[in-house]
Amino acid sequence: QVQLQESGPGLVKPSGTLSLTCAVSGDSISDDNWWSWVRQPPGKGLEWIGEIFHTGGSNCNLSLKSRVTMSVDKSKNQFSLKLSSVTAADTAVYFCARFRVVAITTQGSFMGWEKHFDFWGQGALVTVSS
Amino acid sequence: QSVLTQPPSASGTPGLRVTISCSGSSSNIGSNTVNWYQQLPGTAPKLLIYSNNQRPSGVPDRFSGSKSGTSASLAISGLQSEDEADYYCAAWDDSLDGLGVVFGGGTKLTVL
Repeated sequence: QVQLQESGPGLVKPSGTLSLTCAVSGDSISDDNWWSWVRQPPGKGLEWIGEIFHTGGSNCNLSLKSRVTMSVDKSKNQFSLKLSSVTAADTAVYFCARFRVVAITTQGSFMGWEKHFDFWGQGALVTVSS
Repeated sequence: QSVLTQPPSASGTPGLRVTISCSGSSSNIGSNTVNWYQQLPGTAPKLLIYSNNQRPSGVPDRFSGSKSGTSASLAISGLQSEDEADYYCAAWDDSLDGLGVVFGGGTKLTVL
């Protein structure tokens, strides 16, 4: 069973940098999956932050792109998120998740990609406050 | 403001059927598959439906998904008290504004 566990400071000062790490067990981070971050402000819905592949390739929510840095540590089987210049609006529960990307084929013909989050971490609350 | 539109709330009585809608556009639901996640209070989201209508192992067949054009629906039949949760639809978005996953705002399901 794949398991993910977020870790990092629960309190960050405004204008500081939020740093979180997601430890993966039950799967190799070097396999053909993407690894993602999703956040949820208190009482609100889910927001995709971005995803990273073990080669370092990544995609990121345009609204956050200028402040987001993601990385992979294959030796520790974990990946990380840094969000700079944080404000109170960045207060949220941050989830890491495995993002499965599978080719959809019909009778041998490629039809597109099936993409979904299949395993999630329990989430880490990060509060931005002085 | 979420890219995908869901009703903020839904309700139903035990044993009956409830549906939750999810509306998008040609760049997301119209051209990619839809997934549904269930989030019980205080827990992480859980994959409920993927690829429009597929259930992961362990998800009861009371849950079903469908998609037509730029809209999708989640149906829950034989409603049970443990189904009380928040439900989110999601899809990949290929718009010129940026590639990525977009979510609906979530629907809070109350079992009366």
